[in-house]
Amino acid sequence: NAGVTQTPKFRILKIGQSMTLQCAQDMNHNYMYWYRQDPGMGLKLIYYSVGAGITDKGEVPNGYNVSRSTTEDFPLRLELAAPSQTSVYFCASSYQGGGETQYFGPGTRLLVL
Amino acid sequence: AQSVTQLGSHVSVSEGALVLLRCNYSSSVPPYLFWYVQYPNQGLQLLLKYTSAATLVKGINGFEAEFKKSETSFHLTKPSAHMSDAAEYFCALLTGTALIFGKGTTLSVSS
Repeated sequence: NAGVTQTPKFRILKIGQSMTLQCAQDMNHNYMYWYRQDPGMGLKLIYYSVGAGITDKGEVPNGYNVSRSTTEDFPLRLELAAPSQTSVYFCASSYQGGGETQYFGPGTRLLVL
Repeated sequence: AQSVTQLGSHVSVSEGALVLLRCNYSSSVPPYLFWYVQYPNQGLQLLLKYTSAATLVKGINGFEAEFKKSETSFHLTKPSAHMSDAAEYFCALLTGTALIFGKGTTLSVSS
């Protein structure tokens, strides 16, 4: 199993540009999550999904969109990039919610200039 | 409100010394608590988790944590630090579906 994979690893965007961060998992997990990590701030939840076709907002959803058309994939869309979206983005997955372990991808580092 | 506080953003120890990383939580329901480790330029890896079973939880790489309800704490310890333990450590609280993370503690280990 590859686990949770994310692409790209690093990207520079100009203000106002759009991009999609890709996330895929091959563990047949139902739940998937997007977090952002800012220095000294820990991780904050952007969006999550409990299954294909079901998504919900987390703590910091503004400026982002998600979709979940398959169990395996959970892309994160930035429509109009802003400097405040400069961060490291982590995708995670778990089999269920509750006390199930969340498994994290390696992250995407995004710089908006 | 549910929250996680990690005391000390940076902890430095000598190789072979005790490692103690502090985590306090606030939760209105019985908590599920986690410790994750992040090595430079990598994702997060689960060290251990507490899900209302034994209060002393053993994890990978010789780490363990004790859940103390009376102190609302879940401190992470390791008896003897190794150079390879140098990393950032995050305590997290499960709220419904997702995790709330503390701000992290960077552990430095000197020889």
